[in-house]
Amino acid sequence: DSGVTQTPKHLITATGQRVTLRCSPRSGDLSVYWYQQSLDQGLQFLIQYYNGEERAKGNILERFSAQQFPDLHSELNLSSLELGDSALYFCASGGAAMNTEAFFGQGTRLTVV
Amino acid sequence: GNSVTQMEGPVTLSEEAFLTINCTYTATGYPSLFWYVQYPGEGLQLLLKATKADDKGSNKGFEATYRKETTSFHLEKGSVQVSDSAVYFCARSGGGADGLTFGKGTHLIIQP
Repeated sequence: DSGVTQTPKHLITATGQRVTLRCSPRSGDLSVYWYQQSLDQGLQFLIQYYNGEERAKGNILERFSAQQFPDLHSELNLSSLELGDSALYFCASGGAAMNTEAFFGQGTRLTVV
Repeated sequence: GNSVTQMEGPVTLSEEAFLTINCTYTATGYPSLFWYVQYPGEGLQLLLKATKADDKGSNKGFEATYRKETTSFHLEKGSVQVSDSAVYFCARSGGGADGLTFGKGTHLIIQP
């Protein structure tokens, strides 16, 4: 158990809809990272938050947004969903520096139909 | 930008065989290097790491040495077990605000 909790584990929704994925980091970790894992693209870094502030942005679409709340949990919002958004979405938590390891949750499997 | 290249899988070996999974990285900055393992239905778990040149990371019989001259971080294990069957990801960090950069993963299958 990594200590990172993601909900829900599975999500099935229709194209055009909006969903929210939730992540609770390990106790004491201030950073939350979001990754997308798909068969064709592999693991793609989406965005990082540190202590409530956006810290780094990767390959995140404009239809996607995230935030980190004062209790440090984070939410990833995906809107105007397309079939190609079907993937595993992982949250990881860790320290502030980019050269530290990250602890991953078990992921949310999103299926867009 | 930063990138990590690792050998394509699946890699199929017999139990007790010697394992090498190759990984090379782009040499920008002074990255830390990691191997993560993903078992079926689970998230990624850190297997080992190295933070500077010539460091050797090791865990559960797996080893990898940070080779700056060849920009490599190959994963090795002397005698694999069926329970080692999983997907292995090489990753680098540092060099910019882009989180960890992962390779595409190598699916390892160990047959009894």
